[in-house]
Amino acid sequence: KNEVEQSPQNLTAQEGEFITINCSYSVGISALHWLQQHPGGGIVSLFMLSSGKKKHGRLIATINIQEKHSSLHITASHPRDSAVYICAAVPGFQKLVFGTGTRLLVSP
Amino acid sequence: DTAVSQTPKYLVTQMGNDKSIKCEQNLGHDTMYWYKQDSKKFLKIMFSYNNKELIINETVPNRFSPKSPDKAHLNLHINSLELGDSAVYFCASSPRGTRYEQYFGPGTRLTVT
Repeated sequence: KNEVEQSPQNLTAQEGEFITINCSYSVGISALHWLQQHPGGGIVSLFMLSSGKKKHGRLIATINIQEKHSSLHITASHPRDSAVYICAAVPGFQKLVFGTGTRLLVSP
Repeated sequence: DTAVSQTPKYLVTQMGNDKSIKCEQNLGHDTMYWYKQDSKKFLKIMFSYNNKELIINETVPNRFSPKSPDKAHLNLHINSLELGDSAVYFCASSPRGTRYEQYFGPGTRLTVT
């Protein structure tokens, strides 16, 4: 079992829907990243969280350190949001453990 | 200007060969990384360098040797390539360690035949 689990593995949505991707981890962490991997393969950092909530445009990320859980929300989803979303936990100095990824497909 | 660049983008080679992948960042970051993404798209950290000093060396075969000539460059040399080395290798950098935003290179797709 991976130390960082994501759900769902695959997600399809209609344009405009509200989307939630979950990330749970079994180790103590100091921070957590959300990344987006485009269909072309490039990886972009979306958020780095150590507590609370962050918002950027239509994307919102939350983390509950005590419950070992983070969520990524996309409001008013759009086909260009179709990508793989990956969470990555920071369990120690200079360490990074990746989740298994969630493949999102948003249809027009 | 590209923030994190890698060369080559594609690398096709035969088993047993030795190859290198180069990475450069122009962001002034202190920390650089190599990640491997396997055929199932799972990412794993391989190495981390901070100011030319090796910080993380995950359980990677010693056929893989990173080299950091200066803090803007982190190269990956692979000896005696094996079929299982086929993957996409990403270089990344961050200001100072994994608690900071990661900036990824475009990836190098290595195919070993």
